[in-house]
Amino acid sequence: GQQLNQSPQSMFIQEGEDVSMNCTSSSIFNTWLWYKQDPGEGPVLLIALYKAGELTSNGRLTAQFGITRKDSFLNISASIPSDVGIYFCAGQRLSQGAQKLVFGQGTRLTINP
Amino acid sequence: NAGVTQTPKFRVLKTGQSMTLLCAQDMNHEYMYWYRQDPGMGLRLIHYSVGEGTTAKGEVPDGYNVSRLKKQNFLLGLESAAPSQTSVYFCASSYDMTGPGQYFGPGTRLTVT
Repeated sequence: GQQLNQSPQSMFIQEGEDVSMNCTSSSIFNTWLWYKQDPGEGPVLLIALYKAGELTSNGRLTAQFGITRKDSFLNISASIPSDVGIYFCAGQRLSQGAQKLVFGQGTRLTINP
Repeated sequence: NAGVTQTPKFRVLKTGQSMTLLCAQDMNHEYMYWYRQDPGMGLRLIHYSVGEGTTAKGEVPDGYNVSRLKKQNFLLGLESAAPSQTSVYFCASSYDMTGPGQYFGPGTRLTVT
């Protein structure tokens, strides 16, 4: 099945640094989503993007929906310890009467205090 | 609101045993989904439901069955567990086809020996 290409797979940074990760696909999506997963928990939605070219912020997080509708990036500014976790991108499309999500492999973020 | 809940949180099965995972949501959502998460693979859709009494196959349905007898519940069954089904299983729900992503439960960690 299709998976999105998400990079990097892991990041080790110092507290206070900015973070950037991205997701690419060979096919078009109507919506791009970014989720965060903490250990032992389910993914939690961070940002949803609905239009090509859209740039959306949520606090220190900024995400963009690529013009081609085949990619998206997520930036985290001034990282703090609670940003640690796994970040997933997901492309959403309507298929066979349901909202289908295709996930990237995840970016594991580790922060050194 | 409890959101999306899953039971059990952990389970160990022997090869060939059967079990049912229960997902419940109290948000009156129409759509419910079952995913599995494996290391380095992101989340993959097993089965989904677009309403009470309906089910459909996702990306990796083999070896699983589902039922949606009540709107708030979505059951995932393994009739004859195999080691390849060792994974973390997540249930999710969404209100409609155009909403901002899906809401996930906390997951069930299943080990098949």
